[in-house]
Formats: sequence, structure tokens, C-alpha cells
Amino acid sequence: GAGVSQSPSNKVTEKGKDVELRCDPISGHTALYWYRQSLGQGLEFLIYFQGNSAPDKSGLPSDRFSAERTGGSVSTLTIQRTQQEDSAVYLCASSPDSGRAWETQYFGPGTRLLVL
Amino acid sequence: AQSVTQLGSHVSVSEGALVLLRCNYSSSVPPYLFWYVQYPNQGLQLLLKYTSAATLVKGINGFEAEFKKSETSFHLTKPSAHMSDAAEYFCAVSDRIIQGAQKLVFGQGTRLTINP
Repeated sequence: GAGVSQSPSNKVTEKGKDVELRCDPISGHTALYWYRQSLGQGLEFLIYFQGNSAPDKSGLPSDRFSAERTGGSVSTLTIQRTQQEDSAVYLCASSPDSGRAWETQYFGPGTRLLVL
Repeated sequence: AQSVTQLGSHVSVSEGALVLLRCNYSSSVPPYLFWYVQYPNQGLQLLLKYTSAATLVKGINGFEAEFKKSETSFHLTKPSAHMSDAAEYFCAVSDRIIQGAQKLVFGQGTRLTINP
């Protein structure tokens, strides 16, 4: 079956612009995650959705970052007033159930964001 | 909070040689541990995971890892390297977000190069 898909695959934007990154999880997967991969910080957790609800947003690096999930499926990560330090690869993952510790997370190919 | 440390950001081996990628974890509870591989411009793919069922875990592509509680280690090995194994490898541990939900905490990654 289809895996996790993300769009766009690459995004170049100017400092100060807003960007939206999209994630389509594997059909039927309840849990959805966003991670960021950057040279300086490695792979870091941003936010987790259980259904449409995000119980903990403390991983988001600043209030310029927000995320939503609708219909228990597609999720959008929005970065407002982008800064150069936001340049990174943004990875989305999903897992079948509620995000239990032993569950495998299935990753999408990522969106490579470059802020000029 | 749980954490992992990968020793060696770069490892280079000859084709046909043993591959050994090191991972040590820090966890206050019995850990769930994962190895993921990332090929260039792709997302992360699960190689194997430890969920306490067996200390020696076999994964895809001939990789295996052994959980050693006394050494707090979960090193990844492959008896004979192939050119196609060249990639970046990440060790990760589950860490609690809220009751019943976990995120992955990743090591810094090890880039594996295979010499012909």
C-alpha cells in the first residue's frame, strides 16, 4: 500500500514569508508525528497527533510554528515569518495505533525547506 | 528523559567486511530501541527494533542488533558489507510524551561509507 507522502518535496522561500508543509499519513494510521532534521540539531521531535488532537505542543521551537490535522488524516505544519534557522528537512511519520512505545513509526520522504 | 548516543559520526569499512555501528542508551525504564536507515534524499526506514521479546534482534538487509542491559548498548552489526549499505544510520529510543503516547529520541547518526 501507499506510504507516508509529503509535499512539497522542496521549498525555497524568502525570510519573513509563511510556508505550509503537508503530510498524508498511511491510511488508517491514528498517530501522526512531525520531526525536524537539521545539521545543527540532528533529528528532533516537534509535535504528535492522536487523531485530530495534539496533546503536547511543547516540542514546537517557537510560536511561529503551528500544526493541525483534519479528519484524522492529513496534517499541515505551518511556519510563519520564516527565519534562516528554520532551514531543515521536515519529516512526517505515522503509526497504526495510539503511539505506543513499541510501535513502528513510518516516515515520509520529507520536505526540504530552504529560507533565503 | 531517555536518550541515545551513537559513537562515531562516520564509519568506513571495506566491501565484505564486518559492519559495527555503536549505540548506547540512557533510560529510566525498560527501553524500546530502534535502528533506522536513511538513504540520500529519502525518509527513514526501519531496520529493526527491540521490544524486550528477544535480546538478539534480526532486521532487514542482513542487519542485526543485540540488546545488552549491563552495557546499556544496542549495537548494530552486519557480517559482510555491501556497497548498497552506504547510508546514514540512526539509533532511537522511545520516550514518553503523555500517558500512552511516545516519541522517538534519535542519536546524532552515523554515516556509513563502503570502500570497494
